[in-house]
Amino acid sequence: QSALTQPRSVSGSPGQSVTISCTATSNDFGGYNFFSWYQQDPGKAPKLIIYDVTKRPSGVPDRFSGSKSGNMASLTISGLQSEDEADYYCCSYAGGYRVFGGGTRLTVL
Amino acid sequence: QVQLVQSGAEVKKPGSSVKVSCKASGGTLDTYTVNWVRQAPGQGLEWLGRVIPILGMTNYAQMLQGRLSITADRSTSTAYMELSSLTSNDTAVYYCARGPTPEIWGQGTLVTVSS
Repeated sequence: QSALTQPRSVSGSPGQSVTISCTATSNDFGGYNFFSWYQQDPGKAPKLIIYDVTKRPSGVPDRFSGSKSGNMASLTISGLQSEDEADYYCCSYAGGYRVFGGGTRLTVL
Repeated sequence: QVQLVQSGAEVKKPGSSVKVSCKASGGTLDTYTVNWVRQAPGQGLEWLGRVIPILGMTNYAQMLQGRLSITADRSTSTAYMELSSLTSNDTAVYYCARGPTPEIWGQGTLVTVSS
């Protein structure tokens, strides 16, 4: 069982907003601002979309945003588009170690 | 634009070892963290460990301690992941990713463990 818990699936219609949560079960990985988020299409390598809780790498649309409250990080996707349908993973870092959440499948209805 | 190019797919017998390489093309690994992540068929991402080549520092996921070795050759900008005592549970796509937050990923290497 991962130290980061995500819902297995979420869904939304085009144009809506969805939020994916990521809860750290230990303060080790939840107590710092080192949460990141990855988007993964089937058969492809993951793509970094959020790092350090709220920062977006160059080229990532501002429809993707991150936040954190206590031991829970969240990824919000606004203005949902069909191409956003993918698996999303949260990731945290502490003291040289990383851990991934179990992943959330986003379905665009 | 740096790319990470990994070695090709491997088929291994249970109990054997596998070594996967990850070479930086158009850039360097030297001052960055190189992470290794795997994904079993139909499963999520699992962080395996990391190396910081310029420091020679490594960290390994606890569950793989003793079976995993991550090294880096600074002269060729190549990182290596070697996993020993393979079982069928080690069948997965193995990725390298340059950090500190893994941002640039290799294409993945499928390692199949089968008798």
